[in-house]
Amino acid sequence: DQQVKQNSPSLSVQEGRISILNCDYTNSMFDYFLWYKKYPAEGPTFLISISSIKDKNEDGRFTVFLNKSAKHLSLHIVPSQPGDSAVYFCAANAHSSNTGKLIFGQGTTLQVKP
Amino acid sequence: DVKVTQSSRYLVKRTGEKVFLECVQDMDHENMFWYRQDPGLGLRLIYFSYDVKMKEKGDIPEGYSVSREKKERFSLILESASTNQTSMYLCASRPAGERNQPQHFGDGTRLSIL
Repeated sequence: DQQVKQNSPSLSVQEGRISILNCDYTNSMFDYFLWYKKYPAEGPTFLISISSIKDKNEDGRFTVFLNKSAKHLSLHIVPSQPGDSAVYFCAANAHSSNTGKLIFGQGTTLQVKP
Repeated sequence: DVKVTQSSRYLVKRTGEKVFLECVQDMDHENMFWYRQDPGLGLRLIYFSYDVKMKEKGDIPEGYSVSREKKERFSLILESASTNQTSMYLCASRPAGERNQPQHFGDGTRLSIL
């Protein structure tokens, strides 16, 4: 049972435009969400996170939005750059977990065209 | 900066062999994790350790075991390698006690079982 789902395997965007990556979850106990970025032959790197007490968190070109009622979060990248081309994973953590255990989505491959 | 080092970037082994994947972190983190990444499945947790000699099964522990004799080192063991264990293996660590700290990943080991 996939508790965190990224239903779009891939996304292609023109440089300078907005990229929107989506993520849905099913477990209402999840209260902390993260986005990771992964280049080929490298490990995932932490990008941005959001706690369930917020509905938006912004860091430079990256903004994460959380809609708790819909159990949905999204990552916006504005403006998109070719260097943003990578696989993006969303992940979730439950308050009851004090080990930092994360549940990951399947990933979305973003291609930003020059 | 946190450094998580995986001993091999690429590894080729034969079915039935006992395989050791090593991971070392240099930030005195209590929590360490082993994942495998497969196309369309995202990152799936194999095992995690919340302190020395402490371990818990993740979502897909079958065919694997782990060892955490020292805080900085977390080893993943494939007891008798099979072709369905061909995958990218990722190690991660994070500090305990700070609930919303992200995990930091190594660059991965691409394991092929022939």
